[in-house]
Amino acid sequence: NAGVMQNPRHLVRRRGQEARLRCSPMKGHSHVYWYRQLPEEGLKFMVYLQKENIIDESGMPKERFSAEFPKEGPSILRIQQVVRGDSAAYFCASSRDRVDYGYTFGSGTRLTVV
Amino acid sequence: QQQVKQSPQSLIVQKGGIPIINCAYENTAFDYFPWYQQFPGKGPALLIAIRPDVSEKKEGRFTISFNKSAKQFSLHIMDSQPGDSATYFCAAIFAGNQFYFGTGTSLTVIP
Repeated sequence: NAGVMQNPRHLVRRRGQEARLRCSPMKGHSHVYWYRQLPEEGLKFMVYLQKENIIDESGMPKERFSAEFPKEGPSILRIQQVVRGDSAAYFCASSRDRVDYGYTFGSGTRLTVV
Repeated sequence: QQQVKQSPQSLIVQKGGIPIINCAYENTAFDYFPWYQQFPGKGPALLIAIRPDVSEKKEGRFTISFNKSAKQFSLHIMDSQPGDSATYFCAAIFAGNQFYFGTGTSLTVIP
């Protein structure tokens, strides 16, 4: 009964490259949430997805960032043309349904832009 | 705008002490207040949570005190141990789908 799986754990990208972060929710969970954590800061909500749908993307930067949760496979957070300010830990959480407060977080992907 | 304000930023206590971490919020629509514990290199893990119709909740050595009128809540760790050294985040949520996290408190428990 694996938890929320995120990969890679660490990702290094040069400025201008693309970063793709993957998140597999817990078994039976169909809701996925992405958060970003900057050093010395709390977690900031980015986007909430259900299978094939973006429910709330109010926390996503308007440019370069996109997310998807296809019918099959993991959720993907994609950052195009990365800049140094994108360096952060990105966490994914999943839940069984929208009113279920049992959020489970993955161990995160630490993105470093050099 | 920080929806949930957390203090202190860091805290050092002796083993056996009772660290207290405080959080305050403004939005009265929040209906669930969890605390998360995060160890270095790990994701946040749910520690304990409370709903606003309850003034106190205990789970083991961890207690949440909730003051609805003041819009404040706090985490108390009884008989703290070095293994409790971690970063603690309070959070507030409404509509079941979006958390607002505090900025975190780094706790160090000295043996």
